[in-house]
Amino acid sequence: SQQGEEDPQALSIQEGENATMNCSYKTSINNLQWYRQNSGRGLVHLILIRSNEREKHSGRLRVTLDTSKKSSSLLITASRAADTASYFCATDHERGFKTIFGAGTRLFVKA
Amino acid sequence: DTAVSQTPKYLVTQMGNDKSIKCEQNLGHDTMYWYKQDSKKFLKIMFSYNNKELIINETVPNRFSPKSPDKAHLNLHINSLELGDSAVYFCASRQSRAGWESTDTQYFGPGTRLTVL
Repeated sequence: SQQGEEDPQALSIQEGENATMNCSYKTSINNLQWYRQNSGRGLVHLILIRSNEREKHSGRLRVTLDTSKKSSSLLITASRAADTASYFCATDHERGFKTIFGAGTRLFVKA
Repeated sequence: DTAVSQTPKYLVTQMGNDKSIKCEQNLGHDTMYWYKQDSKKFLKIMFSYNNKELIINETVPNRFSPKSPDKAHLNLHINSLELGDSAVYFCASRQSRAGWESTDTQYFGPGTRLTVL
């Protein structure tokens, strides 16, 4: 079965609010990555967090990783309408030769 | 310049036909991948190649045959297309690392939307 499971499946918020998405996985990982996919488009890499890191920031994004709980979260602060997209977590295995994606969270940011 | 490119962007074909999708990356990466995204947006790895060698084959039917003529290209040929093959296929690349815990960012192509009628 697929590794990554994300919740919520869908999230609707107002512009300016924060959005938090969670991801859980089942086995040991090398790294965990978050991607964004706009409707009908390819995947855009947002952030990579290594298995020995606990938190990472990039602009309005904050990612945490808890390897003991096999979970990660993505926080988008001060959301904008342009943040509307699907967000996927992906875990790296087998030295990065195998990446497993979660089912994704669909984020709707209302202006 | 596009980092990872795929052709064609759209592909509409009849059941039973054979088709190919091409992928090229100009990032100098040594590892390339094919993924399938179904109608529910679920993204699943199909193959990964490192230095033209097949590393991962995720129980993909042998109607799917990847070919890597060089490190910059990974093409996907599909024989006897079936309705269930309809999906968006993404190519990706990254640079592998020697360390177990060290991997770099994976870059994705724009996708090829395959529709089998």
